[in-house]
Amino acid sequence: QKEVEQNSGPLSVPEGAIASLNCTYSDRGSQSFFWYRQYSGKSPELIMFIYSNGDKEDGRFTAQLNKASQYVSLLIRDSQPSDSATYLCAAMDSNYQLIWGAGTKLIIKP
Amino acid sequence: DAGVTQSPTHLIKTRGQQVTLRCSPKSGHDTVSWYQQALGQGPQFIFQYYEEEERQRGNFPDRFSGHQFPNYSSELNVNALLLGDSALYLCASSLARRAGEQYFGPGTRLTVT
Repeated sequence: QKEVEQNSGPLSVPEGAIASLNCTYSDRGSQSFFWYRQYSGKSPELIMFIYSNGDKEDGRFTAQLNKASQYVSLLIRDSQPSDSATYLCAAMDSNYQLIWGAGTKLIIKP
Repeated sequence: DAGVTQSPTHLIKTRGQQVTLRCSPKSGHDTVSWYQQALGQGPQFIFQYYEEEERQRGNFPDRFSGHQFPNYSSELNVNALLLGDSALYLCASSLARRAGEQYFGPGTRLTVT
């Protein structure tokens, strides 16, 4: 059974601090990883993807991938109240199917 | 540039009935994936269509079927509705070669009574 595991939270972070979201996956064949943000009552929105080991930065967001540890993370710098949402981690398996985690609820406190 | 559209936005059906949900992909996209999302859960993959064929299927019964048309739009059909089919149904489109970079529609909220 291919799985993606996330802490459901909620993760509470003060405004302006760094929010760190983590995800582990079970399928060693997964090569591509994705972070989606989902506001309450809305559909998911792609915010980052990473295909290679290491860090990938885009504005205030940094995705980190460690394939040896089967671990993916998302860092959000200078967290804003508008970052409050559920963050979904997904891994693509060898059949081009996305395997989704259940999401981590992030709350940014002003 | 229109994004992914879905219709209807909300639907109420009775147990045992059949339902059809519709999706139009983002312009330029050729692949459509369908998901079921229960409250507080991540999306559950139903199936994916590319070149009018079902390319992948998740762990859903045959009551769930779909179709993709030559213009890349897609339908999801659910027969013999059960109370447990009540959920948000999401359609996502992508390019086949970048299948993980998906753009989601607003979803259809299905309630089965």
